[in-house]
Amino acid sequence: GNSVTQMEGPVTLSEEAFLTINCTYTATGYPSLFWYVQYPGEGLQLLLKATKADDKGSNKGFEATYRKETTSFHLEKGSVQVSDSAVYFCALSSLNAGGTSYGKLTFGQGTILTVHP
Amino acid sequence: DGGITQSPKYLFRKEGQNVTLSCEQNLNHDAMYWYRQDPGQGLRLIYYSQIVNDFQKGDIAEGYSVSREKKESFPLTVTSAQKNPTAFYLCASSPIIPGDSYNSPLHFGNGTRLTVT
Repeated sequence: GNSVTQMEGPVTLSEEAFLTINCTYTATGYPSLFWYVQYPGEGLQLLLKATKADDKGSNKGFEATYRKETTSFHLEKGSVQVSDSAVYFCALSSLNAGGTSYGKLTFGQGTILTVHP
Repeated sequence: DGGITQSPKYLFRKEGQNVTLSCEQNLNHDAMYWYRQDPGQGLRLIYYSQIVNDFQKGDIAEGYSVSREKKESFPLTVTSAQKNPTAFYLCASSPIIPGDSYNSPLHFGNGTRLTVT
């Protein structure tokens, strides 16, 4: 079955530090990969996505590259801000045997990021 | 603005009582989902629906029930059979795009935190 593994948290950084949150996956076929962000007390919001190998998703200074050879989709940001403090989820979506998936995402366990001034 | 509304934000119930969580969307999405979030475990799919009057079990459907009488609404009932009901519940929706739905991101509501004592 599909699975997503994220680096253990929590991650604590100072403002303007470089961020990496590791994500590796196991999936059948060719999944699409996503990063979602959850701010305190809220639901999840899509941060970025990549749908095929070597694609780079980017948004709000965050980037992640779909690496099929290492089955990874690591999230990076060059200079974090206090407002980036949140929980980050890596997720994948793949077609099932019937050729559909309809948003049946498989999520990692989430990584808590705290950025201090 | 279009979006997903979950209510209430916080819900308290006594053990043995059924409770229904509301989810309404005005995004005109065909597919809707219920996820459960527990600390350190990511999100797990409870039920999903692709069309009115039809729904399928997710990975952890035991002790839950849903209905989809209208496209906009997908209420979740947590029954007394659910052994560990205390959790954060997230409703989501997505469009169904023939041949490309597994690339469609989910839109989430802000969640309902259920506490059962």
